[in-house]
Amino acid sequence: EVQLQESGPGLVKPSQSLSLTCSVTGYSITSNYWGWIRKFPGNKMEWMGYISYSGSTSYNPSLKSRISITRDTSKNQFFLQLNSVTTEDTATYYCARGPTRFAYWGQGTLVTVSS
Amino acid sequence: DIQMTQSPASLSASLEEIVTITCQASQDIGNWLAWYQQKPGKSPQLLIYGATSLADGVPSRFSGSRSGTQYSLKISRLQVEDIGIYYCQQASSAPNTFGAGTKLELK
Repeated sequence: EVQLQESGPGLVKPSQSLSLTCSVTGYSITSNYWGWIRKFPGNKMEWMGYISYSGSTSYNPSLKSRISITRDTSKNQFFLQLNSVTTEDTATYYCARGPTRFAYWGQGTLVTVSS
Repeated sequence: DIQMTQSPASLSASLEEIVTITCQASQDIGNWLAWYQQKPGKSPQLLIYGATSLADGVPSRFSGSRSGTQYSLKISRLQVEDIGIYYCQQASSAPNTFGAGTKLELK
């Protein structure tokens, strides 16, 4: 069974970087696409980007200058880094599998940006 | 970006009632449309993909349809466990975009 689990700090200061890890079990990240989606307070959902089976990436243009998605295939993990965060980046962050439809999700991790 | 206009924003319905939620795409997205259900405290669950295909393990009371650029999710007989927030998502054109969500409550 495919399982995803996010981990990382729950509190980040403004202007700093947000870093999250998604650990995948039951499926190799060298197959398929692996991405990040966030849900803001008030329920708005935003697709952030993905890393493919080959390591190529695609990002939401609204984040392109601040976002980086990387991976460690030896650990079957992929990572999100979001730079120069503001309070508007406060959200629940999910990792998920798929480029077009998302059948597998992590449980989500709340990240609050606050001083 | 393609805009997905979802309606209604909230909906109150009785058990066994038929419920319909719609999404209007700002341009042609073909059948690149998925529906998700999110229960409180849980991750979103894929219900429908390809506009009309039922995802694995999803009860048959859920169905999806398409008319041009308007997409609908129908719950044929509302059950208690169907309460939550529903989202549509288009995957025709990057970036993927979601509707604003429909909060479904029991009357």
